[in-house]
Amino acid sequence: GENVEQHPSTLSVQEGDSAVIKCTYSDSASNYFPWYKQELGKRPQLIIDIRSNVGEKKDQRIAVTLNKTAKHFSLHITETQPEDSAVYFCAASPNTNAGKSTFGDGTTLTVKP
Amino acid sequence: DAMVIQNPRYQVTQFGKPVTLSCSQTLNHNVMYWYQQKSSQAPKLLFHYYDKDFNNEADTPDNFQSRRPNTSFCFLDIRSPGLGDAAMYLCATSRSITSGSTEQFFGPGTRLTVL
Repeated sequence: GENVEQHPSTLSVQEGDSAVIKCTYSDSASNYFPWYKQELGKRPQLIIDIRSNVGEKKDQRIAVTLNKTAKHFSLHITETQPEDSAVYFCAASPNTNAGKSTFGDGTTLTVKP
Repeated sequence: DAMVIQNPRYQVTQFGKPVTLSCSQTLNHNVMYWYQQKSSQAPKLLFHYYDKDFNNEADTPDNFQSRRPNTSFCFLDIRSPGLGDAAMYLCATSRSITSGSTEQFFGPGTRLTVL
């Protein structure tokens, strides 16, 4: 089955700096890579996703890059703000009907004002 | 305009006493998932339904069962909860991959406490 590794497990940055979270996956059949943000006590919410036919996707301060050959993808947050503080999960999803995702272990991002 | 609803939000049960958690959706999605999430850990998939087809993860304990009587509703039954089953249980839905998007929409979760 799929195995997703996520690094770092914790990340602390100063407000305004950039934050980068990296994930690797093992199953070459995976073709959908979502990123979820989970605030304390709340549900995971999709913030950005990328499919394997695209190398990069950007949405305002958030961008995701995918290297399918190396089987890794990264989340980039620029101009971080205190409200970006949360746990971020990457996931990889195979090309099956259900599209079920395997999650990374999460990164706790703290943005210091 | 709640899309994925879970009830109850908080459930307290006694060791060994069966409990049922409920999930409903207004999105008409084909796929419904149940995840278990313990503190500071990633959501762990227990099983999912693709329409009426049930798919169990290999490491899901037999203690956990699920029912999906119709498209909108899905239930998680824990037959004999142990202390180790205390967790947040998240329900999620998605379309099938043939729709072009498999984004998962999560419910708010049910926090289960086992005494």
